[in-house]
Amino acid sequence: SQQGEEDPQALSIQEGENATMNCSYKTSINNLQWYRQNSGRGLVHLILIRSNEREKHSGRLRVTLDTSKKSSSLLITASRAADTASYFCATGLRHSGAGSYQLTFGKGTKLSVIP
Amino acid sequence: DSGVTQTPKHLITATGQRVTLRCSPRSGDLSVYWYQQSLDQGLQFLIQYYNGEERAKGNILERFSAQQFPDLHSELNLSSLELGDSALYFCASSVDGRSSYNSPLHFGNGTRLTVT
Repeated sequence: SQQGEEDPQALSIQEGENATMNCSYKTSINNLQWYRQNSGRGLVHLILIRSNEREKHSGRLRVTLDTSKKSSSLLITASRAADTASYFCATGLRHSGAGSYQLTFGKGTKLSVIP
Repeated sequence: DSGVTQTPKHLITATGQRVTLRCSPRSGDLSVYWYQQSLDQGLQFLIQYYNGEERAKGNILERFSAQQFPDLHSELNLSSLELGDSALYFCASSVDGRSSYNSPLHFGNGTRLTVT
């Protein structure tokens, strides 16, 4: 079952513009992660934000987390054509004991950056 | 390169057959996760192993099974294949220790399974 739901499902912007993708989830989490997937390839981890953090930056990426609203956003600034990909949020929940950790993905946002 | 190796890259087989997908995790990672990605269902968690033991189960069909071997590589076995099993199957690994659960997953490039 899906935990995270990304919005929008698809986004098309011009190169140089900012892209914002949102993620909502339903249950408690230990962390929320964002991944990127180029067509037909494996997912690549972008950024992880823990449940006690509100904002995190990595290069041109900014992630926010609002646990009271159970939502997160990913902002890509000054987008480039190479940013064209699908972006997934994933909620991480640890159960008791080592190795008991589950990461549940949303269906993703397909971002197209037009040169 | 994520360090996670999946073989084969492509697999074409007929309905009713059985296939085995193989995954070698990143060096040092103890956990292996299997995911199925299809167009209509998105990325579905199938099963997780940690240091040889099953730790979590998701939407895995009874026709599917997996194991993690002492050298930490893992295999996903799919049997009595149906057309609907056609999908990308990803393996991912993470350190996932008792104090390192806030760690990302590292994905392989997947095995594309086509059932005809």
